[in-house]
Amino acid sequence: DVKVTQSSRYLVKRTGEKVFLECVQDMDHENMFWYRQDPGLGLRLIYFSYDVKMKEKGDIPEGYSVSREKKERFSLILESASTNQTSMYLCASSPRQEWEETQYFGPGTRLLVL
Amino acid sequence: AQSVTQPDIHITVSEGASLELRCNYSYGATPYLFWYVQSPGQGLQLLLKYFSGDTLVQGIKGFEAEFKRSQSSFNLRKPSVHWSDAAEYFCAYSSGYSTLTFGKGTMLLVSP
Repeated sequence: DVKVTQSSRYLVKRTGEKVFLECVQDMDHENMFWYRQDPGLGLRLIYFSYDVKMKEKGDIPEGYSVSREKKERFSLILESASTNQTSMYLCASSPRQEWEETQYFGPGTRLLVL
Repeated sequence: AQSVTQPDIHITVSEGASLELRCNYSYGATPYLFWYVQSPGQGLQLLLKYFSGDTLVQGIKGFEAEFKRSQSSFNLRKPSVHWSDAAEYFCAYSSGYSTLTFGKGTMLLVSP
């Protein structure tokens, strides 16, 4: 089975802190994604990557950056956390570079910024 | 821009009753359509997907969905709901040239 793991289930940070959310997948997938999930808004794509060191902006990239130094790992970085970034963050991966491929999700990280 | 609409924010169904969750998409090209389920505190799990061929798609946990091009719909159905089906359900769409667009979700509540 595909396994996507996220480094933390719950995280509490203070405004202005630099925050790293880590995601690892074990199925050699090319594509990796970061979403944020907010009540009533569904899932919104922040960034995605289709190869090592490649990244593309999603629908809401402002305030975020990403890093993909290794194929299996995709990190989401909040350079200076703000209260409006309090949310559930979901990582996903999918094989190949066809966008119709199934995405496999991690359990999510619930981030609270105080 | 492509979009996915799930008209129902919440639905309550009695255990054992049938279920239909609605999903409509707006884009002209051949769609790739997905239904995901999210149990409380968990990530999303794929229930089923449609790429082409038979418009009635079977998925896991006894779910099925029917693609209707004329109505731009991909509604999810289950003949008899179990209490463990209580969760949030997301419809998603891709044109094949873009990443997934998700609907805002429908929360399913199951009453005894």
